[in-house]
Amino acid sequence: DADVTQTPRNRITKTGKRIMLECSQTKGHDRMYWYRQDPGLGLQLIYYSFDVKDINKGEISDGYSVSRQAQAKFSLSLESAIPNQTALYFCATSDPVLAGTGELFFGEGSRLTVL
Amino acid sequence: GENVEQHPSTLSVQEGDSAVIKCTYSDSASNYFPWYKQELGKRPQLIIDIRSNVGEKKDQRIAVTLNKTAKHFSLHITETQPEDSAVYFCAASIGTGGFKTIFGAGTRLFVKA
Repeated sequence: DADVTQTPRNRITKTGKRIMLECSQTKGHDRMYWYRQDPGLGLQLIYYSFDVKDINKGEISDGYSVSRQAQAKFSLSLESAIPNQTALYFCATSDPVLAGTGELFFGEGSRLTVL
Repeated sequence: GENVEQHPSTLSVQEGDSAVIKCTYSDSASNYFPWYKQELGKRPQLIIDIRSNVGEKKDQRIAVTLNKTAKHFSLHITETQPEDSAVYFCAASIGTGGFKTIFGAGTRLFVKA
């Protein structure tokens, strides 16, 4: 089954450490996204990319960076993690041509805890 | 930028009753309005969506209505069942390609058997 895969699924780290969350997809979609989920705050857009050469900031990009290594890979980095970055992070893909809609297809999520 | 507000944050209904979740958006250019369901510990998944040129859309027990003038859209679930218990998110985006989809804060729905 074509899917969106995130690694790691769970990570505990300390303040000041550099962390990378990776996302890969086998859906063949061009568009990829990183969202952060906090209780009561819904899903907030961190960065999005429409193709390998296109990177755009979302609502809450401060403290984060991304890299689109290939059509199928989109990684999120926290250069110096801080406790308020503790959250559940979701990668998502979309492709209006292939899917026929604007539907977002989410990965299973990466739970990050910063101590 | 776009801002989406969602109410209520928590909703508890008896099995068989209807549930209604309401959202408002701020950017009049938004033209695609999806709804996602997130079961406990799982990823959000699309349950229904509506485009701005349509006022209402139904899919079995769920329906969505859109009032572009008032910038309101709502999710209606009829004949609720325990498996409808989940968090529901409304969202708005410009363009139907999932361009910069902005989500509401979510509604936790409890369906009591």
